[in-house]
Amino acid sequence: DTGVSQDPRHKITKRGQNVTFRCDPISEHNRLYWYRQTLGQGPEFLTYFQNEAQLEKSRLLSDRFSAERPKGSFSTLEIQRTEQGDSAMYLCASSSKGRGSGNTIYFGEGSWLTVV
Amino acid sequence: AQSVTQPDIHITVSEGASLELRCNYSYGATPYLFWYVQSPGQGLQLLLKYFSGDTLVQGIKGFEAEFKRSQSSFNLRKPSVHWSDAAEYFCAVGFNDYKLSFGAGTTVTVRA
Repeated sequence: DTGVSQDPRHKITKRGQNVTFRCDPISEHNRLYWYRQTLGQGPEFLTYFQNEAQLEKSRLLSDRFSAERPKGSFSTLEIQRTEQGDSAMYLCASSSKGRGSGNTIYFGEGSWLTVV
Repeated sequence: AQSVTQPDIHITVSEGASLELRCNYSYGATPYLFWYVQSPGQGLQLLLKYFSGDTLVQGIKGFEAEFKRSQSSFNLRKPSVHWSDAAEYFCAVGFNDYKLSFGAGTTVTVRA
């Protein structure tokens, strides 16, 4: 179990540019989540996948955001035409479907985005 | 509406003293309950969780939490705080089995 890994850890981009973050979940976890955390706040749910299917998207996820999980393994979160309000930490997490300990959601270290 | 409240934004505690962090939730049924810790610039580490059964749960790093249904609370405690416990602590509730709602967090400062 190597944990949830995210790349890059830090990204500084100019307003209007596109950025993409990658997440590799814990192996054999079939659920993958994206959360966003701004300074001084708790994380907020953005979206989640079960295998390759994206099953729910928060209204926080505007049309400029797109997430994919091809083949049910790693996931990417792309933000197009970035705005300063997109500056935040983007957290990826994973879990196994099912009750009991399977409901535990494990988080990665996060990807910091700064839009200048 | 469902909500998670951490009433204390910031707590300062002396090293070796006890610590209690409060968490209240608003929901019609018993949700899944979690406490996570976050060091500056880092991701979230799970401290402990409650799904069902014994309402006093033990976690890592000497933390424990007690679920009180009548008070809709899930408070986190540690008998003796170490300097390395300085961090931000988040209570989270899962109202279904795939999505968490987080409180705003409590920052813990440990003084020597």
